Amino acid sequence: EPEVTQTPSHQVTQMGQEVILRCVPISNHLYFYWYRQILGQKVEFLVSFYNNEISEKSEIFDDQFSVERPDGSNFTLKIRSTKLEDSAMYFCASSRDNEETQYFGPGTRLLVL
Amino acid sequence: DQQVKQNSPSLSVQEGRISILNCDYTNSMFDYFLWYKKYPAEGPTFLISISSIKDKNEDGRFTVFLNKSAKHLSLHIVPSQPGDSAVYFCAASAQKSSGDKLTFGTGTRLAVRP
Repeated sequence: EPEVTQTPSHQVTQMGQEVILRCVPISNHLYFYWYRQILGQKVEFLVSFYNNEISEKSEIFDDQFSVERPDGSNFTLKIRSTKLEDSAMYFCASSRDNEETQYFGPGTRLLVL
Repeated sequence: DQQVKQNSPSLSVQEGRISILNCDYTNSMFDYFLWYKKYPAEGPTFLISISSIKDKNEDGRFTVFLNKSAKHLSLHIVPSQPGDSAVYFCAASAQKSSGDKLTFGTGTRLAVRP
């Protein structure tokens, strides 16, 4: 069964450094998302992406964040200058056209020191 | 702004019995609801969903009930198995087609005792 994959599984970085989190959505899906979960809190929406552009973004998704689909398979989340409060699990998800169910990847645990 | 609420942070059930997980929402625009199961250090796994035009959806041991007037939904697991022990998240979206964000509840940790 096709799955969403994410790399790396863990990333440790210094405050102020740039990180890129990578995702390979399910191949026939057209909608892509990033969510995050800070330890002990709920899963929060960051951004959705369709047809090579952002569909919606949350207040969390400020100018330090960007998303890109550099080729036909990858979907990336970049944080330009990480802050301590960016430490969280970041989940990528994807969904088919005309279907609301989103399928999640295993997540990347980001730790900012 | 808790638009989706799961008021029980944890639930413990004996193996073979029914598990009932509850979820309440406040946003009347929500029209599609999903339950996800999550193990530690893994991503949420889709379990079952329900559209607002229905009041019940069943898939094997899992049944979701929706009460629109009360803005309440519940997930029933019968019979409960030890492998069901995980955190269960209720989520909702407000669009009748794909692409809308999911709003999650805070989760309920289910422990099924052998």
